Amino acid sequence: DAMVIQNPRYQVTQFGKPVTLSCSQTLNHNVMYWYQQKSSQAPKLLFHYYDKDFNNEADTPDNFQSRRPNTSFCFLDIRSPGLGDAAMYLCATKGQGRGVDEGKLFFGSGTQLSVL
Amino acid sequence: DQQVKQNSPSLSVQEGRISILNCDYTNSMFDYFLWYKKYPAEGPTFLISISSIKDKNEDGRFTVFLNKSAKHLSLHIVPSQPGDSAVYFCAASAVGGGSNYKLTFGKGTLLTVNP
Repeated sequence: DAMVIQNPRYQVTQFGKPVTLSCSQTLNHNVMYWYQQKSSQAPKLLFHYYDKDFNNEADTPDNFQSRRPNTSFCFLDIRSPGLGDAAMYLCATKGQGRGVDEGKLFFGSGTQLSVL
Repeated sequence: DQQVKQNSPSLSVQEGRISILNCDYTNSMFDYFLWYKKYPAEGPTFLISISSIKDKNEDGRFTVFLNKSAKHLSLHIVPSQPGDSAVYFCAASAVGGGSNYKLTFGKGTLLTVNP
């Protein structure tokens, strides 16, 4: 019954080797977010898509890129991972409608990235 | 500069007692507040929210209180159960954000409910 699905759950990459994390959703939500969470830190927004419009946070490093080929899928690309990029990466979605779900983000289980 | 602050990294309570988790914010534009619960190896799940036009919202054992003048909110869990043991994140947003709507999170508080 998973609604926001992130693959893989655990990803190990080498220093400097490009890596892609994926997120898919069955909610048909128009907004998709990528958050980075390091241990004992607050989840930090990297960027989000409102439909096809990409919104980058001002302090997101250029090393992080994203693609959203359609409503259901969104990818996070880390072009040259450094040791400091080891973190949990959370994908979330939000619908446009009003009602009980207004304002809520729905999260996937996350991908734990390790950089060796 | 943290706009949402959860100053207690951890809290331990006995089963059946009240758990009170606190959150402070600095951005006066925030007008919608949420609490998320996170178990290990899972993503955050929505727990309860409150709009700035209210000062209290209740859902079963969970109540959120908002003090706008103090820029402070709290989550009360009564009675606490061992299954409530998790990390609780406070989050805030400006509802009128439109296409730029986003949640700003605190660092979280690890709640442990002891049997």
